Parts: sequence; C-alpha cells; structure tokens
Amino acid sequence: ETGVTQTPRHLVMGMTNKKSLKCEQHLGHNAMYWYKQSAKKPLELMFVYSLEERVENNSVPSRFSPECPNSSHLFLHLHTLQPEDSALYLCASSQERTGVSNEQFFGPGTRLTVL
Amino acid sequence: LAKTTQPISMDSYEGQEVNITCSHNNIATNDYITWYQQFPSQGPRFIIQGYKTKVTNEVASLFIPADRKSSTLSLPRVSLSDTAVYYCLVGDREPSYSSASKIIFGSGTRLSIRP
Repeated sequence: ETGVTQTPRHLVMGMTNKKSLKCEQHLGHNAMYWYKQSAKKPLELMFVYSLEERVENNSVPSRFSPECPNSSHLFLHLHTLQPEDSALYLCASSQERTGVSNEQFFGPGTRLTVL
Repeated sequence: LAKTTQPISMDSYEGQEVNITCSHNNIATNDYITWYQQFPSQGPRFIIQGYKTKVTNEVASLFIPADRKSSTLSLPRVSLSDTAVYYCLVGDREPSYSSASKIIFGSGTRLSIRP
C-alpha cells in the first residue's frame, strides 16, 4: 500500500467510448503524474500537475485529457482511443513539484484494453 | 540530461548477492542517483537514492565511485520475491517547469531469481 489508489484496476473499452481513470493520493503531496507503460516499452511520462496546475504535457494526443480538481485527485479522461493505447496507466505523486530525484509514490495502475 | 545505461537482464539464485550497475557518464554536479523496483502489473517502488560514496538501507546498498559516472545497486541475499525490473534514474531535486520531462525510466534491468 503506497498511499496512492487508482480506479478502476482493469478497463475494457471500445474505440468510440468515453471513460475516465481516477487517482487519489492520501500522502499530502503536491505533485501528481500520469504515466503510460505499454508492453515491453519503458514508462512514458504523460502529464505532471503541481499544486493543481499542469506543468508538463509530453506531446500526448488530445484523446487523453487530464484533470486535477485538487491536490489529492487526478483524472485521465479518455475518448476515441486507439488499440495502440492499450497499456498500464500509472499514477504517481511526490512531495514537491518535481525534480527527477524527488521520490515518487506509484499507484497499482489501471490495465486498459481498447478493442 | 544524463542518460543511463543498464544491462537488459540478469539472472541469479536465491541467497546470492546481486549487483546491478548503471552507467551515467554525463551526470551533472547537482544530480542524484535513484533506483526503483517494479513488479509485474504494479507501479515502480523507490528503493534507494544517493549522491556519492555509499548509501545503505534495509533493502539495498548503493555504491557510487568518486567520479560518479556509474553506480551499483547491491541486493544482499536475494530471494524469489526480488524478481523484478530495476530502474536507475539520474537527475536533480530542483523543481522547475521543464524538469519533469527529464524523468526517464528507461528499459531497466529485468532481474530473475531462481531457486
């Protein structure tokens, strides 16, 4: 138990569906992250929020839309996804707005399958 | 940005000491070295971090030579449960709007422990 929870743990959706992934951290951290991990590929940083402000968007397609309503919650809204978007989506948090070496606490991930 | 290079995979046996080396020839003065562990279908977990010489905690030791161009994660007396992917990250602790893009986990080292 890392203090970061993600729901749902598994999600299967069609390409025309709209769904949302939810992340919640109970650590009092100020920064939250979304990562994508495809099969046999490294973790890819997608978005970073610091104090509810998006500070990083690593050229992620617009079909992924993040939302951070407060410092404890982070959402990833999904629409018109492609099969290649099937992956493990991981949420993380850290105490401060990031440098690389700030320890990140990861959630268990959401395994997404796009049909 | 300090690029890291690690072996793709390693095998060992229960009870052995395992050393995983990470090369980071372009490490900057303010950079720290951080190691994460990831089990299948889970998020990475912070193991250890260091700046120079040696750091030890209840899980591992981290050896960093004087030139800091490499580092070695040492796992004493491994067990089957240490089978995981281990990532080496190099970077500073300073928050900035551009630093998040430097969070690169790479492919990591896939460690397999056999009975």
